[in-house]
Parts: sequence; C-alpha cells; structure tokens
Amino acid sequence: QLQLQESGPGLVKPSETLSLTCTVSGGSITSASYYWGWIRQPPGKGLEWVGSLYYSGATYYNPSLRSRLTISVDTSRNQFSLKLSSVTAADTAVYYCARHHGIGAVSGHMDVWGKGTTVTVSS
Amino acid sequence: QSALTQPASVSGSPGQSITISCTGTSSDVGGYNLVSWYQQHPGKAPKLMIYDVTNRPSGVSDRLSGSKSGNTASLTISGLQAEDEADYYCSSYTSTTTLHVFGTGTKVTVL
Repeated sequence: QLQLQESGPGLVKPSETLSLTCTVSGGSITSASYYWGWIRQPPGKGLEWVGSLYYSGATYYNPSLRSRLTISVDTSRNQFSLKLSSVTAADTAVYYCARHHGIGAVSGHMDVWGKGTTVTVSS
Repeated sequence: QSALTQPASVSGSPGQSITISCTGTSSDVGGYNLVSWYQQHPGKAPKLMIYDVTNRPSGVSDRLSGSKSGNTASLTISGLQAEDEADYYCSSYTSTTTLHVFGTGTKVTVL
C-alpha cells in the first residue's frame, strides 16, 4: 500500500528557506502517469495547491509562488522535495504531499496523501 | 488563478440530502471532466471522495455522488449522517498557467 510521509523543520525564520521532503513507500516514485505534489493549508483556511512534479521530471508551480519555489526529486531515495525561499508569516501552514493522477500536462485527482507537517514561520 | 467558488457552509438534519456546488470556468470545471472532491475532518489530511466528476473510489459510501453542469460541479450527500460533518473541497485541473486549483471549501454541519 502506497504511503507518503512529510518531514522537515517545524520552525523557519522569516527570510530563510523552508525545506521539506516527502518519502514515498510501498511504490516507486518513477511510476508512469503520476504527479507528486505539495499542497498547503494555512491555519483555519482552505487548501492551496503549491506545485507538482511529473514522473518524467517536469515541474509545475503555483504562479503566486513560482519565483520562490523549487520542487525536485531524488529517485534513489524515492523522495521528492520542496524548497520555498524568502518565507514570511504568510507561508505558515500545514504542508501535505500527495500523489495525483495525470497524463502529460493534464493532472487529475489526488488519491494518496501524507498526514501533513506543520511549518511555522517566526523569529 | 482564482480558487473555485464553493458555499462557505451547508447544513442538514440526519437522513436529509444536501448538495455542495463548485463553480469555476471553462478553463477548469467546465472544460474537463477532472473534478474531484475531498473530505477533511479537523486535524486530518484530506480524503478523496469523488474523482473525474462522478466516480467513487473503493470504500467510499454510495451516499455520495457527483455531477457537473456547465462550469458548476456538485457533490450530493444523501441520507446525511453525523460522520459526514466535515469540510469538503472540490478541485480541478486547469488549463491556465497553473496546473491544479482547489475550491474555497464548504463546512458541512449535521444538525
């Protein structure tokens, strides 16, 4: 059974870089026709798609975060990662990783989610 | 890319049916049959309930059903139960400069 687990610091200082890793177990991150995505949820607010990585390596970012965001994959460790630079308090959120279906540049539903990790931006 | 529009809250009594709407544009909801719905209980990760507008994953109650008309998708919960009380989010592929967009979320209350 496929499982995803987020990991990373729970506290990041303003202006620094937020780094998170999602470890995939029970399946391969190079499986065809899947995206591996990051979604965040600020306290008391709704879900926001952050960005996704297609199994081929192509990346797609939320335009509002594109200038600060990098999503990458480490196939040897079956992990994918998120780096968000120059963070502010507005980046405080629960960050989820998820697998979603898709073909080419068309993405679909997210069927497997991690439990989420809370990141607070504060000095 | 703006979020898809959902009502902030919907409520119903046990046994009743409720419907949650999700309004987008022809670039997302209206243009593709790639709308999905997620249930989220407090402190928990979202759970996929409906995908590709009408399909239910294995294990999801058949009291939930999805549909779409034009730029608006809908989730109907029939025979409302206490366990259905949660937040619900729609999402869709979008052909704009983004890839994926979520709805604003709807809090379902069972009276």
